[in-house]
Amino acid sequence: EDKVVQSPLSLVVHEGDTVTLNCSYEVTNFRSLLWYKQEKKAPTFLFMLTSSGIEKKSGRLSSILDKKELFSILNITATQTGDSAVYLCAVITQGGSEKLVFGKGTKLTVNP
Amino acid sequence: GAVVSQHPSWVICKSGTSVKIECRSLDFQATTMFWYRQFPKQSLMLMATSNEGSKATYEQGVEKDKFLINHASLTLSTLTVTSAHPEDSSFYICSARVFGTGPETQYFGPGTRLLVL
Repeated sequence: EDKVVQSPLSLVVHEGDTVTLNCSYEVTNFRSLLWYKQEKKAPTFLFMLTSSGIEKKSGRLSSILDKKELFSILNITATQTGDSAVYLCAVITQGGSEKLVFGKGTKLTVNP
Repeated sequence: GAVVSQHPSWVICKSGTSVKIECRSLDFQATTMFWYRQFPKQSLMLMATSNEGSKATYEQGVEKDKFLINHASLTLSTLTVTSAHPEDSSFYICSARVFGTGPETQYFGPGTRLLVL
């Protein structure tokens, strides 16, 4: 069974701190890994990663994938209170049903 | 960007009643829509994949007679929770895949919170 595990499940930091969120996976026929930010409602897309070692960057957020060790990290530097959210990692497999398999998410709280 | 809406945004109903949730792609055609369910502190779990004009494909453990899905047009899919019970209380989210794109291109609706009393 395909599995996505995120850690930590929750994290509380102060504004300005840097955080690293982890996502490991066990799936057959990996296709891509995606990161989403979920505030009160629906997830919003952050990154899609398909190749190992290539960092994706958007402002203070960056992410990288290691297909050998089967994990990805999401970094947020100089955190702000607006970064408080649940960060979801999801994996898509190739062939068969191409569906998103989500982890439980990491709840990040950034305090002023 | 692509926008997906859901209606209603929240609903409270009595046990035994049926509830219909709509998912619309507002500015694009979506041949495939997905329905997810999210319990508190849990992940999004795919319930079913809905293709326009054909029967939905349900995930293992999801009762197709209880969660009726209709995808009659390229912009609308509906999920009906029949004879709802308190254990069906959850956050239901749909997503839509833009026609001609890969599975990574899914736009999520804002979700519907269902509370069954």
